[in-house]
Amino acid sequence: AQSVTQLDSHVSVSEGTPVLLRCNYSSSYSPSLFWYVQHPNKGLQLLLKYTSAATLVKGINGFEAEFKKSETSFHLTKPSAHMSDAAEYFCVVSDSPNNLFFGTGTRLTVIP
Amino acid sequence: EADIYQTPRYLVIGTGKKITLECSQTMGHDKMYWYQQDPGMELHLIHYSYGVNSTEKGDLSSESTVSRIRTEHFPLTLESARPSHTSQYLCASSWGRGDTQYFGPGTRLTVL
Repeated sequence: AQSVTQLDSHVSVSEGTPVLLRCNYSSSYSPSLFWYVQHPNKGLQLLLKYTSAATLVKGINGFEAEFKKSETSFHLTKPSAHMSDAAEYFCVVSDSPNNLFFGTGTRLTVIP
Repeated sequence: EADIYQTPRYLVIGTGKKITLECSQTMGHDKMYWYQQDPGMELHLIHYSYGVNSTEKGDLSSESTVSRIRTEHFPLTLESARPSHTSQYLCASSWGRGDTQYFGPGTRLTVL
């Protein structure tokens, strides 16, 4: 069975400081893992995707995530937060095209 | 940015009304999906389609129905809206065996 746990419902950082959004997953198979971002009143946008090629995945807007099988984690990071990064972030695990399991989301606040 | 559209973006309607939420994509994707997202909660799959004339129910039981008469169009209908249907409805699409789904901006439905 697949499941995703986002460890923080809300993260607050100062502009220019690093961002860490934590995600742990459970999967019976070799999963695909995603991070999506949802800005207020906008649809979900794909940030990055892991599909067993490289453990460190680079996404859009300077975000990256590292797949750690031993820790069953897929944490999202960014070296320096920007005001425009304020949004809700969803970690997602998938074992087939129509099976996406979403985490409950982490709301990122960026303080000027 | 993916070309997937949802209308209306917001809808406030009285109990008992019939409503149809529209979803269209111009990418030629064969698979389409409907998700329901309550505030602060994860997304739940309520319907999906593998292609024209194919529709399946998702993990979360829903009183809504869907149709897929054309590849690009996947409308969702509620025959008699109730306050319990108040939620955000997100449409998505994907291509072939790929598991990356592209999301529309969502429809926020409020039933009074």
